[in-house]
Amino acid sequence: GQQLNQSPQSMFIQEGEDVSMNCTSSSIFNTWLWYKQDPGEGPVLLIALYKAGELTSNGRLTAQFGITRKDSFLNISASIPSDVGIYFCAGDSGGGADGLTFGKGTHLIIQP
Amino acid sequence: NAGVMQNPRHLVRRRGQEARLRCSPVKGHSHVYWYRQLPEEGLKFMVYLQKENIIDESGMPKERFSAEFPKEGPSILRIQQVVRGDSAAYFCASSTITGNTEAFFGQGTRLTVV
Repeated sequence: GQQLNQSPQSMFIQEGEDVSMNCTSSSIFNTWLWYKQDPGEGPVLLIALYKAGELTSNGRLTAQFGITRKDSFLNISASIPSDVGIYFCAGDSGGGADGLTFGKGTHLIIQP
Repeated sequence: NAGVMQNPRHLVRRRGQEARLRCSPVKGHSHVYWYRQLPEEGLKFMVYLQKENIIDESGMPKERFSAEFPKEGPSILRIQQVVRGDSAAYFCASSTITGNTEAFFGQGTRLTVV
């Protein structure tokens, strides 16, 4: 089946630093999504990308849908303590008949 | 993810027992997706249902697992004769339209098999 390679696996940063994470795939997706999951909770959608090359922002978050449709990145600027959590990329191949394919997640840890 | 209600939040079962996980979608949503998440892993798609229909169950094990979304009431994911390897967090998501890009996730049910 389809697989997403998400990196890095974890990040240890200082408060105020910028963060960058990305996902790559061997196959094409029609939609890329970025989620955040807090401990004991379900994923919460941060940004959805629908077109190749699209760059979308949501506050301090910016995400891009790669031109090849096989990759996406998420940037977080000026990190704050509440940014701590696990970030997942997910791809939707379209057609509506199957679910999302998720990456394994990036653990973001912010050191005071 | 407000509105998708899953219960119970935590479920402990002995090997061989049955586990029933419930998902009430956001009011008005007729599409439900179930995912499984193992520790330190991403979510893995299991099954996609619309009211009274299973649309895609390609991610669900062929044995012991079943899912339904009746005309009335919540969607149910049923696992018979549970084994230790079934221990995981099970998440439900719902959406109004075909295609799950705008789906909202519930808080999950954490199943522990002892």
